Amino acid sequence: DTGVSQNPRHKITKRGQNVTFRCDPISEHNRLYWYRQTLGQGPEFLTYFQNEAQLEKSRLLSDRFSAERPKGSFSTLEIQRTEQGDSAMYLCASSPFTAANTGELFFGEGSRLTVL
Amino acid sequence: GDSVTQMEGPVTLSEEAFLTINCTYTATGYPSLFWYVQYPGEGLQLLLKATKADDKGSNKGFEATYRKETTSFHLEKGSVQVSDSAVYFCALSDAYNFNKFYFGSGTKLNVKP
Repeated sequence: DTGVSQNPRHKITKRGQNVTFRCDPISEHNRLYWYRQTLGQGPEFLTYFQNEAQLEKSRLLSDRFSAERPKGSFSTLEIQRTEQGDSAMYLCASSPFTAANTGELFFGEGSRLTVL
Repeated sequence: GDSVTQMEGPVTLSEEAFLTINCTYTATGYPSLFWYVQYPGEGLQLLLKATKADDKGSNKGFEATYRKETTSFHLEKGSVQVSDSAVYFCALSDAYNFNKFYFGSGTKLNVKP
């Protein structure tokens, strides 16, 4: 049973460059989430997919951020024209569909972005 | 809006000591409440959960009770071990939008032998 996989685990880039992170969720999970975590803080919601549809985006997700899940399997999070304030851990999580309000999130180990 | 507040760390305890990590929340409706744990070098993983008032979640010797009257979900363990050293996050899922989770800032626990 493979868990949620994220890569790269660490990316160092210069300000103004574009970066892309990939997330492979647990195979039978149709829901996929991106969160951002800065040092000393808990994860903050960025966006959510059900299958290939992006159903919700946080106001934290500026126009420089775009997320896709083209075939309802893996997802990518791209950050264009990176800024130093984008430095954070980007977490991906997945969950199976549940009708009840009890959903558990399964997290990957995260992709750490450092913008110089 | 919904939010979670948990006690700041780090918390340092000796092995076999009693642990309490406080967590309070603000939410409309009836959210589900969770404790997630992050061991060094690993991703967050669910520790326990409670979905309605007065429910008690438990796992690995940890317990937390959903108290609606005090809007709290404090984490407790009677006797901690060195292996419990980790960062603990309290979280809630929005009652009206259960796809959205709100996390506290995390509490780091250090257990000394």
